[in-house]
Amino acid sequence: DAKTTQPNSMESNEEEPVHLPCNHSTISGTDYIHWYRQLPSQGPEYVIHGLTSNVNNRMASLAIAEDRKSSTLILHRATLRDAAVYYCILRDGIAGGTSYGKLTFGQGTILTVHP
Amino acid sequence: DAGITQSPRYKITETGRQVTLMCHQTWSHSYMFWYRQDLGHGLRLIYYSAAADITDKGEVPDGYVVSRSKTENFPLTLESATRSQTSVYFCASSMLGTGELFFGEGSRLTVL
Repeated sequence: DAKTTQPNSMESNEEEPVHLPCNHSTISGTDYIHWYRQLPSQGPEYVIHGLTSNVNNRMASLAIAEDRKSSTLILHRATLRDAAVYYCILRDGIAGGTSYGKLTFGQGTILTVHP
Repeated sequence: DAGITQSPRYKITETGRQVTLMCHQTWSHSYMFWYRQDLGHGLRLIYYSAAADITDKGEVPDGYVVSRSKTENFPLTLESATRSQTSVYFCASSMLGTGELFFGEGSRLTVL
């Protein structure tokens, strides 16, 4: 399985943008890039995903490098509620493949948001 | 909209006892998953299921048994609990295998 590398921790101030990086240099052409976050004492929560193009939703934006070897999750205005562990995950997009649908979580990035 | 629910939320048991963690989802999602989360290891996939009566092993299946006779239920059984199975267990579901998983609140299991 292709691996991702994320910084162990990052800090931000409230109401400022946050850019969370992820490196995935061994990504294959059919791998989707997923981001999840896990708030304290809760289960992980889906944030966003993409394949090649940048993606936006109500929670965040996902910027994918042209060579797809890295991506960045962008929180446009951090709030205290965004303090969580953020996971960058690659998912095999080949339907029917042995690993289809499975997500392998790494250690993630602990985001601290200061008031 | 109940979503996905796990029970029990907290369980203390003794080594050697059988324990079953329940997971129920109301969306008729095809895929269901069991993860465990431990300090220092993050989330690790135990078993997953692509549909009723179809299950497969994840990264750490040893010591666990699953079944899925109905689409909405995916119980996880520890046939003979060990202390190393003390963990927080998360169940998740996904409509298709498209990677958008919905997680339950977790079941905290302590094996003494």
